Formats: sequence, structure tokens, C-alpha cells
Amino acid sequence: DAGVIQSPRHEVTEMGQEVTLRCKPISGHNSLFWYRQTMMRGLELLIYFNNNVPIDDSGMPEDRFSAKMPNASFSTLKIQPSEPRDSAVYFCASRPPAGGINEQYFGPGTRLTVT
Amino acid sequence: AQSVTQPDIHITVSEGASLELRCNYSYGATPYLFWYVQSPGQGLQLLLKYFSGDTLVQGIKGFEAEFKRSQSSFNLRKPSVHWSDAAEYFCAVGANSGYALNFGKGTSLLVTP
Repeated sequence: DAGVIQSPRHEVTEMGQEVTLRCKPISGHNSLFWYRQTMMRGLELLIYFNNNVPIDDSGMPEDRFSAKMPNASFSTLKIQPSEPRDSAVYFCASRPPAGGINEQYFGPGTRLTVT
Repeated sequence: AQSVTQPDIHITVSEGASLELRCNYSYGATPYLFWYVQSPGQGLQLLLKYFSGDTLVQGIKGFEAEFKRSQSSFNLRKPSVHWSDAAEYFCAVGANSGYALNFGKGTSLLVTP
């Protein structure tokens, strides 16, 4: 299995631009998570999907952030407009259907720099 | 809501020495507990997990962790550290198998020759 795939791996953009981060979960997994990692705040959950439906988006910082999961094999996290404080590493993780202790499998992350 | 505290931000150990990373959780019921490791520039990799049964859990790369309900702790241990163990270590807690995890702030491990 290829694991969780994220693209791009690095993104540098100017303030005000739209940024779209992409994630392909592991085949067969039905839960998908978006996290943001910064030095100051550590690893924060942004949003969580189960069977393509957003379950908890309370971690999404503000309306500039939006996430979609149009099908079981693809999700996007969009920031519009981007700001320098959005600079962070964004991780996507997926998890197989519940039934026991099912850990999350993380992608390699997208390092976002907003100048 | 559940939460996790990792009291040590940085830890330095000599190669070959033993290691213990601390993790304390806050949750009313029996939690799902995890330890992940993050190497520089990489995503998080699961080391081990606990939900029930034997309170001493074995993981990959020679790591183990012990669940102590009375102390609300789930400390990670390794008897002999290798230079390749230098990384960031995260403890995480989940309320049940169907929900998201809360991660601690992480402990950065430095291994000296």
C-alpha cells in the first residue's frame, strides 16, 4: 500500500493567495483527519470526516479555511485568502473502519509558507 | 474532554542509555492511548497502542509503554537508545475507537554519542 499521499509536499505562496492542499487516504479507510502542526500550538485537529461526511470541524480556525471530501479517495483543505500566520505543516491522516483500536495513519505532510 | 500532557519538551540521553518519556492523560473512562514518533520532515508513525488487557505494551523499534491507571500515565520506555531514535515523540489519547485523538505537545529526543 502506498500509504496516505499528500500534495504538494511544499508550498510557498504570498499573502492573499488561495492555497489548496490535497490528500489521498489509504484505500479502505473510512475516516480522514486534517491536522496543523506549529511550534507554538503543536498538533491541532482541524477537521474530521467519517464516510466522507464532516463530523467535527470545530478546529477549523476561521472561515478562510474549508475542507471537502467528495469521495472516499480524495480530500482537499483550502485556505482563501492565506495569511502568514497560516504557515505550518499540514498533515492528513486516515483510519480504517472502527472495530478495535484503529490507529491513524499519517501522510508526510505539506509544509506551507505564506509570505 | 480528554487531554494529554507531556511534561518534558526536550530530553537528551546518551546512546546506549535507557529512556523514559512521560505522558499523563485526563479522561474519566479507560482511554485509548497511543505513542507516535515523528522523524524530521516526516509524518507520524505509530509506535504502540493500548486499550485494554496487559498494561505493559510492546511496540516497534524496541519500545514499550506501561499504562498506570492510578497515575493516569502511559510512559514510553526503551532499555537502550540508538542514535536513530532521535526524533519527536507524541502521546495521544482517544475517547473511543470512533473518534479523533488528542495529541500532547511532544517531546524532542536528542541522542548524544
